[in-house]
Amino acid sequence: AQTVTQSQPEMSVQEAETVTLSCTYDTSESNYYLFWYKQPPSRQMILVIRQEAYKQQNATENRFSVNFQKAAKSFSLKISDSQLGDTAMYFCAFMTNNNDMRFGAGTRLTVKP
Amino acid sequence: DAGITQSPRHKVTETGTPVTLRCHQTENHRYMYWYRQDPGHGLRLIHYSYGVKDTDKGEVSDGYSVSRSKTEDFLLTLESATSSQTSVYFCAIRDRGQNTEAFFGQGTRLTVV
Repeated sequence: AQTVTQSQPEMSVQEAETVTLSCTYDTSESNYYLFWYKQPPSRQMILVIRQEAYKQQNATENRFSVNFQKAAKSFSLKISDSQLGDTAMYFCAFMTNNNDMRFGAGTRLTVKP
Repeated sequence: DAGITQSPRHKVTETGTPVTLRCHQTENHRYMYWYRQDPGHGLRLIHYSYGVKDTDKGEVSDGYSVSRSKTEDFLLTLESATSSQTSVYFCAIRDRGQNTEAFFGQGTRLTVV
């Protein structure tokens, strides 16, 4: 079974600084898909960024980028120029070809003014 | 916003009673998921569906059953509710394709007393 581990329950960062959230996963599959979702206090889940395992290039979406290390089974999220609106729970997610989608326990990020 | 609606939004029920939560979509998406969200555990997959009458178990399926008789509806049933099933339940939908984004409902807060 696939597992997703987020080892940082809580993190904080000063506004305009950079922060990195960690995610590791365990799978025997060779092809899979990775996602980061954020959940602000409104409880709405929002896709932040996605990565296909067969792509070596790290995905980037504006201030958000990932560091995907396939051999280490690591998928960290870097948030640059942090903004107050980035305060949220962040979930790492993993999906195999059978469309079974699993999430980690989450990291609560607080951006401080 | 993706057309996905969960009902009810809040429910309080007694231990031992059956409960059914409904997820309704207007997007004609193939995949539908039920998760529960608990502090310290993130989102855990209960069941998912890859088509009408096609469902599979997730990581915490004990005590839950699902049905999908129409593309647009995915029902989650707690046959005999227990206090350990007090949680926030989220439904999600995804279109065909391996890298497609999941869209989530607003969540249902279920309290079993």
